[in-house]
Amino acid sequence: AQSVAQPEDQVNVAEGNPLTVKCTYSVSGNPYLFWYVQYPNRGLQFLLKYITGDNLVKGSYGFEAEFNKSQTSFHLKKPSALVSDSALYFCAVRNNDMRFGAGTRLTVKP
Amino acid sequence: GAVVSQHPSRVICKSGTSVKIECRSLDFQATTMFWYRQFPKKSLMLMATSNEGSKATYEQGVEKDKFLINHASLTLSTLTVTSAHPEDSSFYICSASLGTGWNQPQHFGDGTRLSIL
Repeated sequence: AQSVAQPEDQVNVAEGNPLTVKCTYSVSGNPYLFWYVQYPNRGLQFLLKYITGDNLVKGSYGFEAEFNKSQTSFHLKKPSALVSDSALYFCAVRNNDMRFGAGTRLTVKP
Repeated sequence: GAVVSQHPSRVICKSGTSVKIECRSLDFQATTMFWYRQFPKKSLMLMATSNEGSKATYEQGVEKDKFLINHASLTLSTLTVTSAHPEDSSFYICSASLGTGWNQPQHFGDGTRLSIL
């Protein structure tokens, strides 16, 4: 069965430090992979996607993610975190259907 | 650019009533619109994809007779929750894209919080 896992409910980092939000998936075939961000009491915002091509995908607000087929991972990264990056982050996989991870709450402290 | 407006932002109504949520693309023509549901514990699901002028494609497990989706124009899609019950209470989010397919960028509305008493 198709599934997406975000193993960390919460990630805390200090401002200026690099951040990683993890995502692993289990699907057959060649899925599309996405990251979305949700700020408090708001709808979603699209960050980036992997469809095909270069495994390193660059997205909005300085975020990037690396598609690793052998590890079936699509971790979200940013070299230097900002307090304004604090939000809820969702990984999603689209194959036959769309599956979301449970979300990871990122807190960046000044 | 690429602004999507959802209305209402919040609605509270009695069990058994039907509720309509509108999703409008304000400055672009949205060939495709998507409807998502976010449950109280924040988990998300895609409900359906709608293309202008055709029937919506519902994800597995979503009741099409319960959640009626209409995409009558390139700037408006509506989601009607029919005979709503407390278990339908959720945060509903729409998005819109210029083209078809998942390769196109999606622009999201701010969501509608539906509370059924």
